[in-house]
Amino acid sequence: SQTIHQWPATLVQPVGSPLSLECTVEGTSNPNLYWYRQAAGRGLQLLFYSVGIGQISSEVPQNLSASRPQDRQFILSSKKLLLSDSGFYLCAWIPTGGSGNTIYFGEGSWLTVV
Amino acid sequence: AQTVTQSQPEMSVQEAETVTLSCTYDTSESDYYLFWYKQPPSRQMILVIRQEAYKQQNATENRFSVNFQKAAKSFSLKISDSQLGDAAMYFCAYRSERVWEYGNKLVFGAGTILRVKS
Repeated sequence: SQTIHQWPATLVQPVGSPLSLECTVEGTSNPNLYWYRQAAGRGLQLLFYSVGIGQISSEVPQNLSASRPQDRQFILSSKKLLLSDSGFYLCAWIPTGGSGNTIYFGEGSWLTVV
Repeated sequence: AQTVTQSQPEMSVQEAETVTLSCTYDTSESDYYLFWYKQPPSRQMILVIRQEAYKQQNATENRFSVNFQKAAKSFSLKISDSQLGDAAMYFCAYRSERVWEYGNKLVFGAGTILRVKS
């Protein structure tokens, strides 16, 4: 069966420090992968998505970046965090070409920038 | 660009009663998918129900059903016999059929907090 893992679950980082959130999907190949952010009490904002290794599409200009070094690995990074980067980050996936399929989400990562 | 609007920031319902959550969307496409996701306090995103735009019949999943009005671009969620476990944030979401152009991404509404009273 397919599963998605996201870590760390919680982290507190000082302003200006780097960030790395990792997401891994198991039990499938060549999925489409997504990073969403949810600010406190608000909806989900798509940050990045990837349809293949090394292919990253950015939805919102910001100081975050994403990479897909392996087929089932998606990493969200920042060189210097801002206070406004605080929020709940969700990784999600869908089988390639599966337009009729459902997108599934990871457990999420809470980021607090202090 | 597609947009999704949920005009009710918060709703309340008495246990065992019925509640309807509203959602409207804007698109120029004819083929697409619509979803309702539930986010309980754990923050896990749980799919509640989905609707294909080409299907005229409204989707139903146990106590959950939708009223899909394609011409009006409306997609409301009805929860019957509400239970305490239904208390959560509910998100309406849109996905284009145009996979290679939009990468299967979901566009979400702002969400509606549903409170269930015992």
